[in-house]
Amino acid sequence: AQSVTQLDSQVPVFEEAPVELRCNYSSSVSVYLFWYVQYPNQGLQLLLKYLSGSTLVKGINGFEAEFNKSQTSFHLRKPSVHISDTAEYFCAVSDLGGATNKLIFGTGTLLAVQP
Amino acid sequence: NAGVTQTPKFRILKIGQSMTLQCTQDMNHNYMYWYRQDPGMGLKLIYYSVGAGITDKGEVPNGYNVSRSTTEDFPLRLELAAPSQTSVYFCASNPGQGARGYTFGSGTRLTVV
Repeated sequence: AQSVTQLDSQVPVFEEAPVELRCNYSSSVSVYLFWYVQYPNQGLQLLLKYLSGSTLVKGINGFEAEFNKSQTSFHLRKPSVHISDTAEYFCAVSDLGGATNKLIFGTGTLLAVQP
Repeated sequence: NAGVTQTPKFRILKIGQSMTLQCTQDMNHNYMYWYRQDPGMGLKLIYYSVGAGITDKGEVPNGYNVSRSTTEDFPLRLELAAPSQTSVYFCASNPGQGARGYTFGSGTRLTVV
């Protein structure tokens, strides 16, 4: 079974500052990793995903994440945030080779960008 | 191309009432899922389906039922609504094994009073 931990429930940051949202996972098998973003009163949108290959993954809106297998982490970063990045961010994991493609989500991190 | 469509967007139910949350997708995806989202809890899987006629329980199935008679539709049924079922419900679909992209609906916000 897999699990995902997002230790920070809320991250306040000033506009144009860098940000890192942390994600750690636990799994006995190899996994795929995802970051989703949810803007207020909307559904979930895929930011980026790690399936294989390069451990640095670039996504939409200037976000990137780095897969670290030894630390079982998949932290999300952006060098300079905008007010419009205010949203909730979810890390998720799916087991490699699984038959059901189930996604297991973390509890989410609210990114609050202040002017 | 509508993607995943959920109806209704909002609903208020009284305790003990029943209702069906509708989900339909037009992408011919085999895999479909129902999640509920509660504040601070992330998304929890209720039920999923890997094809028409095949459904299985997720993490939190109690109080819910599903059916999958067609590839397109995956309705979620609440038989006896309880306040604990107050939540936002998301339907999602995926092309199938080996494909790792989910498409989510816009959600149904349900309040049970």
